[in-house]
Amino acid sequence: QKEVEQDPGPLSVPEGAIVSLNCTYSNSAFQYFMWYRQYSRKGPELLMYTYSSGNKEDGRFTAQVDKSSKHISLFIRDSQPSDSATYLCAIKETSGSRLTFGEGTQLTVNP
Amino acid sequence: GAGVSQSPSNKVTEKGKDVELRCDPISGHTALYWYRQSLGQGLEFLIYFQGNSAPDKSGLPSDRFSAERTGGSVSTLTIQRTQQEDSAVYLCASSQINEQFFGPGTRLTVL
Repeated sequence: QKEVEQDPGPLSVPEGAIVSLNCTYSNSAFQYFMWYRQYSRKGPELLMYTYSSGNKEDGRFTAQVDKSSKHISLFIRDSQPSDSATYLCAIKETSGSRLTFGEGTQLTVNP
Repeated sequence: GAGVSQSPSNKVTEKGKDVELRCDPISGHTALYWYRQSLGQGLEFLIYFQGNSAPDKSGLPSDRFSAERTGGSVSTLTIQRTQQEDSAVYLCASSQINEQFFGPGTRLTVL
């Protein structure tokens, strides 16, 4: 079993839709949770970072963590064609440790 | 300020040759990470440098892979006697505390 499982997609939605991206993890030692966006042939770009259960909002993006169920989500409101990319969840145990990534979900937002 | 930079952006080499990939982290970041992104494999951790501590090499796939970080800044990842399965995008990231910021990557193709 992989340490981090991510809904594989691909996901195709119309412009303006609410998008839900999801990951689950198995190791309760994981403490820090991140979401990255990666455009084709580019490096991953940090979108959201959180370390506590609950919601964290930044503009159209909301990161949600539920440590009791070991489940994390990223919600995108009012999705735009420019949101079309691969989204990666990434988790780590301590402040200085390596990131463990999900496989990524490819999102296409159609105008 | 400037982000993480990597060079070269693309490298094509013949099987059996050695290659060197370079990473310039964000100024002031004490931690530096190398990851590899392959089709169907996702992002996998290779090696981690933190300050003057001994690096965490636990992700290196074989003894053909090595890395060093000189003066606590620039890092070089070396792959000796390259194999076709080494073809991937090699990504470098740096961090100060928790968030890791990625460079654009080096796309390595081994013929």
